[in-house]
Amino acid sequence: QVQLQESGPGLVKPSETLSLTCSISGGSISAFYWYWIRQSAGKGLEWIGRFYGSGSAHYNPSLKSRVTISVDASKNQVSLRLTSVTAADTAVYYCARDDLGVGASAVYWGQGTQVTVSS
Amino acid sequence: QSALTQPASVSGSPGQSITISCTGTNSDVGAYNYVSWYQQHPDKAPKLMIYEVSNRPSGVPDRFSGSKSGNTASLTISGLQAEDDADYYCSSYTTISTMIFGGGTKLTVL
Repeated sequence: QVQLQESGPGLVKPSETLSLTCSISGGSISAFYWYWIRQSAGKGLEWIGRFYGSGSAHYNPSLKSRVTISVDASKNQVSLRLTSVTAADTAVYYCARDDLGVGASAVYWGQGTQVTVSS
Repeated sequence: QSALTQPASVSGSPGQSITISCTGTNSDVGAYNYVSWYQQHPDKAPKLMIYEVSNRPSGVPDRFSGSKSGNTASLTISGLQAEDDADYYCSSYTTISTMIFGGGTKLTVL
């Protein structure tokens, strides 16, 4: 049974870089699509981006200039890096895995981690 | 890319059926059969309920069904139960290889 656990600083200052890690247990990293998705308080879900184990990445056009998703197979981790953050980046951040092989559905989700952008 | 359009809220009584719509464009919902539906209870992570328009992951009750016509996808829940009270989100693959979510629908079981 795959388990995903997000971790990272809960508080980030404006203009700094947000870095989160998703630790995976119960499965290989390289054979799946990995997502980062966020949700602001009381708001809907926002897709941040997708990374495929072979190295292919796609990002939300509205965030593309600031976001990087990467994978460290040796550590079984997927990472998110978001630069130049503002209060609008305050949200619960989820990592998720797609087992369906298309890159269109998040099957397994982590519990999410709250990130607040504030000075 | 603009969010897919969902009704803000729907409601129904136990045992009834409800349908939630999800409207997109020719660049997302209408382009592929890659529409998914997620259920989210308060303070919980979303759960995949439907993928590829009408397929249910293992463990999802067959009370949940999905369909699509043109640029609009739909989630139908029949035989409503109290535990179905939650937020529901649709998502779609897009022609630029991204994903996009709907704004979410709050389902209230009366």
